[in-house]
Amino acid sequence: DAKTTQPPSMDCAEGRAANLPCNHSTISGNEYVYWYRQIHSQGPQYIIHGLKNNETNEMASLIITEDRKSSTLILPHATLRDTAVYYCIVRVAKTSYDKVIFGPGTSLSVIP
Amino acid sequence: NAGVTQTPKFRVLKTGQSMTLLCAQDMNHEYMYWYRQDPGMGLRLIHYSVGEGTTAKGEVPDGYNVSRLKKQNFLLGLESAAPSQTSVYFCASSYARGLQETQYFGPGTRLLVL
Repeated sequence: DAKTTQPPSMDCAEGRAANLPCNHSTISGNEYVYWYRQIHSQGPQYIIHGLKNNETNEMASLIITEDRKSSTLILPHATLRDTAVYYCIVRVAKTSYDKVIFGPGTSLSVIP
Repeated sequence: NAGVTQTPKFRVLKTGQSMTLLCAQDMNHEYMYWYRQDPGMGLRLIHYSVGEGTTAKGEVPDGYNVSRLKKQNFLLGLESAAPSQTSVYFCASSYARGLQETQYFGPGTRLLVL
């Protein structure tokens, strides 16, 4: 699976959009970009995923660059409850087993 | 619909003791997983199951055993606990192993081995 790099931490004002970047320059054609988040002391929570088109759901939007080497997760109106560690993951199903490799992620602090 | 639940939420063990962690899901998922999360290490896969009655080893299986006797339950056993097994354990499940597979995680079990 391709590796990802994310900034270790970010701040965002409550009510503003939070834009979390992720670089995945070695991504291959059959790898998807997934985003999860982990609120303190809870299990990881799936947010969104995509292959090459931009995606939107009730939680967030995912913008993937045309060359697929980077992406941005957008939380349109951040709330205090969005304070969490956000993980960007690229992955493809393997023949033996699947695993989700979580790196350090980005610690997002939403400030009142 | 409770999703993925884990029992217990917290446990303290002495070195050499045994215990079983229970994971249950009510989403009729085929795949279930056990991870451990340690500071600065992300999540590491211990064991996984692709269906009732089948299990397989992940990245860090030593010292753990698992069983999947029922589709909705996945048990993680520690035969002889060691301090190195102090960690937060997460269970996850998913419907299938396709490219768009999404894993749903439980709330975690915090284990302290003295």
